Amino acid sequence: DTGVSQDPRHKITKRGQNVTFRCDPISEHNRLYWYRQTLGQGPEFLTYFQNEAQLEKSRLLSDRFSAERPKGSFSTLEIQRTEQGDSAMYLCASSPSSDSVGYTFGSGTRLTVV
Amino acid sequence: AQSVTQLGSHVSVSEGALVLLRCNYSSSVPPYLFWYVQYPNQGLQLLLKYTSAATLVKGINGFEAEFKKSETSFHLTKPSAHMSDAAEYFCAVYVEGFQKLVFGTGTRLLVSP
Repeated sequence: DTGVSQDPRHKITKRGQNVTFRCDPISEHNRLYWYRQTLGQGPEFLTYFQNEAQLEKSRLLSDRFSAERPKGSFSTLEIQRTEQGDSAMYLCASSPSSDSVGYTFGSGTRLTVV
Repeated sequence: AQSVTQLGSHVSVSEGALVLLRCNYSSSVPPYLFWYVQYPNQGLQLLLKYTSAATLVKGINGFEAEFKKSETSFHLTKPSAHMSDAAEYFCAVYVEGFQKLVFGTGTRLLVSP
């Protein structure tokens, strides 16, 4: 297993466009997390899945954001009608239920909205 | 609510000097604490974590941190800095029940020859 994989690594989009990011967690990890990191800040929690169930969502996750994890494997994060303030690094992480603090982070997707 | 505060947005050291990055936490319950390192345009790599076992935690790349309950601190140290240590370092606390990490604002470590 090569760890947590995120695609794409970089995305440049025009304001108002929709974008979708993908995260493939470590295969035996049933927990998956999305974080957002803006320039000069620490990562901020967005949402959390246990298997296919989305169990926690931050108030940062406005109605333009939606995350899914069909079948409890990979996850997608979609941003509709992107705004310049959405420009950030989007990080995915996974952990096994046997070690909820055993996070492994992916390399992230850097979004630039122009 | 659990939180962490990192003192100093930038720390500069010379190669071979002691590295000390400060982190103080706030938690109403015994915390799980972490240090992560981030290189430019990369994700987060775990350096070490405290999970209520030994108070002195050794991590990768020669880093260690000591949990001090009386000072609510979890400072990161390395005896001798290397050029490759130049990166952003984040302290984090795990919020049990909410299944999430809460991060500090980060400290950029600069290492000069």
